[in-house]
Amino acid sequence: RKEVEQDPGPFNVPEGATVAFNCTYSNSASQSFFWYRQDCRKEPKLLMSVYSSGNEDGRFTAQLNRASQYISLLIRDSKLSDSATYLCVVNRGAQKLVFGQGTRLTINP
Amino acid sequence: DAGVIQSPRHEVTEMGQEVTLRCKPISGHNSLFWYRQTMMRGLELLIYFNNNVPIDDSGMPEDRFSAKMPNASFSTLKIQPSEPRDSAVYFCASSFLGQGEQYFGPGTRLTVT
Repeated sequence: RKEVEQDPGPFNVPEGATVAFNCTYSNSASQSFFWYRQDCRKEPKLLMSVYSSGNEDGRFTAQLNRASQYISLLIRDSKLSDSATYLCVVNRGAQKLVFGQGTRLTINP
Repeated sequence: DAGVIQSPRHEVTEMGQEVTLRCKPISGHNSLFWYRQTMMRGLELLIYFNNNVPIDDSGMPEDRFSAKMPNASFSTLKIQPSEPRDSAVYFCASSFLGQGEQYFGPGTRLTVT
């Protein structure tokens, strides 16, 4: 079993739709959590950190459930520019980030 | 401000040749990470440095891989000899020590024929 698991998709949704991604992690000692975004043939870029209380950044909302070891990302009013691969990332400690395989999202006009 | 800089951006080499990848972290960052990304295995941490000292190289696949960080602004990842299965995108990332957010360079796309 992989330490961080995501549905690889692809998710194809129309522009303006709301889309949600989920991620589970296996190491209960994981300390911090992130969503990264990776465009095709580009480097991963930090989208947002994920806090226990949940946090929002514009159209993006991230949630963390430590008891269930589950992380989510919600994108509202999706734009064409949101098309990318979204990587769930867990810091297991000692600065070691573990990346999920990513969920590919395509927003259609 | 300049981000993480990597060179070369693309490298095509023949099996058995030595390959050297280079990275310049963001100025002021004191942690540096080398990752490899393939379709099959995703993004994997190879090795990381804090204050130029290697901390964890457990992700380095085998003795053919080596990494150095002679100073705070430069690191190399060397593969000798290279093999076709080493073909991947190699990313360098940097961060402030103790912070979870890492900033990635544009990557080096390596093809070994």
